[in-house]
Order: sequence, then C-alpha cells, then structure tokens
Amino acid sequence: KQEVTQIPAALSVPEGENLVLNCSFTDSAIYNLQWFRQDPGKGLTSLLLIQSSQREQTSGRLNASLDKSSGRSTLYIAASQPGDSATYLCAVSPDSGYALNFGKGTSLLVTP
Amino acid sequence: GAVVSQHPSRVICKSGTSVKIECRSLDFQATTMFWYRQFPKQSLMLMATSNEGSKATYEQGVEKDKFLINHASLTLSTLTVTSAHPEDSSFYICSASRAGKSLFFGSGTQLSVL
Repeated sequence: KQEVTQIPAALSVPEGENLVLNCSFTDSAIYNLQWFRQDPGKGLTSLLLIQSSQREQTSGRLNASLDKSSGRSTLYIAASQPGDSATYLCAVSPDSGYALNFGKGTSLLVTP
Repeated sequence: GAVVSQHPSRVICKSGTSVKIECRSLDFQATTMFWYRQFPKQSLMLMATSNEGSKATYEQGVEKDKFLINHASLTLSTLTVTSAHPEDSSFYICSASRAGKSLFFGSGTQLSVL
C-alpha cells in the first residue's frame, strides 16, 4: 500500500525566506505526483504536477522536483510571502485518472 | 479550465439526520468521481470511487450503507451521510476525472454534526 509522508508537519518562517517542503512515498511505481495548496476549510488548489518521466516543474516562485527511484519530491518556495501561508499537500497517483494518495501536509506560516 | 462544483460548502445538522452533498462537473463529463474525507490535521483519505451508472466502490473501513453514493449522470455524483453522528463531522471533498486523465477537485464540504 502506498504511503506518503510529508516533513515537516509544520513550519514557520519570516517573510522573504526560501524554504523547502519534503515529500516521500513508499512505492515508486507512480504515474504522477502533485503538490496542492489547501487553505483552512477550503478545497484544493493544484500548484504543480510532475509526470513520472519528469524531474521537475516550475511555476513562478515554486519549483517541485521528483526523484522517482528514491521516492522523494521537494517543493521549493522562493522569497516566501505571508500570502503563502497555507497547508501544502503532496499526492501521488498510481495511474492516469486514478484516485490520489495524499500526505498529511505541511502547515506553513509566513510571518510579516 | 474544468470546474467542479461542490455544494453545500458547510452544513450543520443534528445527530440522526441525513445530509446530502452534491458534486457537479460543470464543463465536462466525468465518468469517474472520487469522494475523500479529511479529519483535522489528517490527510485526505479516499472513501469511495463512483462510476456513472454503476455501484460505487468503497475503500476498506467505509460503510457503504452509511455513506450512500449515487452517480446517476456524467455530471453529478452525490454523497449522502445517513443517520449522521458527531464522529462523522469532517471535511468531505470530491474530485472528478475528465477522460480518465485529469483530476479536478471540488471546494469541499465542512460537515458538523451536533
């Protein structure tokens, strides 16, 4: 059974810092990996999707990497802002259109 | 872009009542929809997979008679929490699969059972 682990569980940083969120998964046979943002009591916002054949994806200040063989992904956030405060979820999919396996998330607080 | 609408966003009900949550794909036909549940500080856990016109497939530990799922059309799936109890209080969220590929999520429903 696929297990997804995210470290750290919570993180507090001052505004402007660069930070890295970590995600690991036990079964490397994945189709893709996604990073989501979740605000309190809200749905999910997809940030980045990395196909299993890819190594990284970038969107603005966000960069996600994938090392499928070692079962790891990182989400790098550059020049953090208070508006980045949210829970970040990592999820993997075993195949196209299949349900996702989620980690518990990293709760990020960026202080002004 | 594809949009999935989930309604209601928040519901408070008395113990013993039933609550229905709707998930609609607004601009595409969703052959498959997924229902997740998220308890505080926990990950989203898949409850069931629903395919249009057929019975839902439930994950281990999820009571199918308590969580009724109906996927009667290609744009609508409903989750009914029957005889809700306080332990059913949770955040419920659906996702819809477009053409068996992309997944789109609803905005979620916060259920509070008193």
